[in-house]
Amino acid sequence: EPEVTQTPSHQVTQMGQEVILRCVPISNHLYFYWYRQILGQKVEFLVSFYNNEISEKSEIFDDQFSVERPDGSNFTLKIRSTKLEDSAMYFCASSEDGTGGDYEQYFGPGTRLTVT
Amino acid sequence: GNSVTQMEGPVTLSEEAFLTINCTYTATGYPSLFWYVQYPGEGLQLLLKATKADDKGSNKGFEATYRKETTSFHLEKGSVQVSDSAVYFCALSPTLLGTGGFKTIFGAGTRLFVKA
Repeated sequence: EPEVTQTPSHQVTQMGQEVILRCVPISNHLYFYWYRQILGQKVEFLVSFYNNEISEKSEIFDDQFSVERPDGSNFTLKIRSTKLEDSAMYFCASSEDGTGGDYEQYFGPGTRLTVT
Repeated sequence: GNSVTQMEGPVTLSEEAFLTINCTYTATGYPSLFWYVQYPGEGLQLLLKATKADDKGSNKGFEATYRKETTSFHLEKGSVQVSDSAVYFCALSPTLLGTGGFKTIFGAGTRLFVKA
């Protein structure tokens, strides 16, 4: 069964450093998403991406965050200058269609980001 | 706006006990409803879903029925096992038309411990 993959599984970085989290969505999917889960808390939507542009973003997704689809298979989340509070599990997801209903989002296994 | 409320945990049960985790939602229109499970140290896995009123989603002995009149989607299992110990997230995604993607909105999660 096709699946969303994410690398690395765990990233440790120092405060102020830039990090790039990588995701390979399911190949025929057109819509891509990032979510965040701070330890012990709920999963929160960050951003959705379609047709090479952001379609929706949350208030969490400020100027230090950016997303990109640099080629036909990868989808990346960049955090320019990490803060301690960016420590979280980051989940990538993709969906075939953007209207919901019968179409679900498939989630990757997550990247645990630890900012020290 | 759209939101999901689920019962607070942790829930501790003995093996073979009956499980209910309550979930209610607020949404405009006709959202799809989901239960995700997160095992310790792992990512999100879709457990079951329902896309319209009175649908019953089921998987691995778990089931939940989409109740529009009570805006609920309670998770049940007749006989839990130690291996069911995990965090369970109720979630919804709105059904939209002509947008650049949809977001999944998660409840806070309910941790389940099953004792042998």
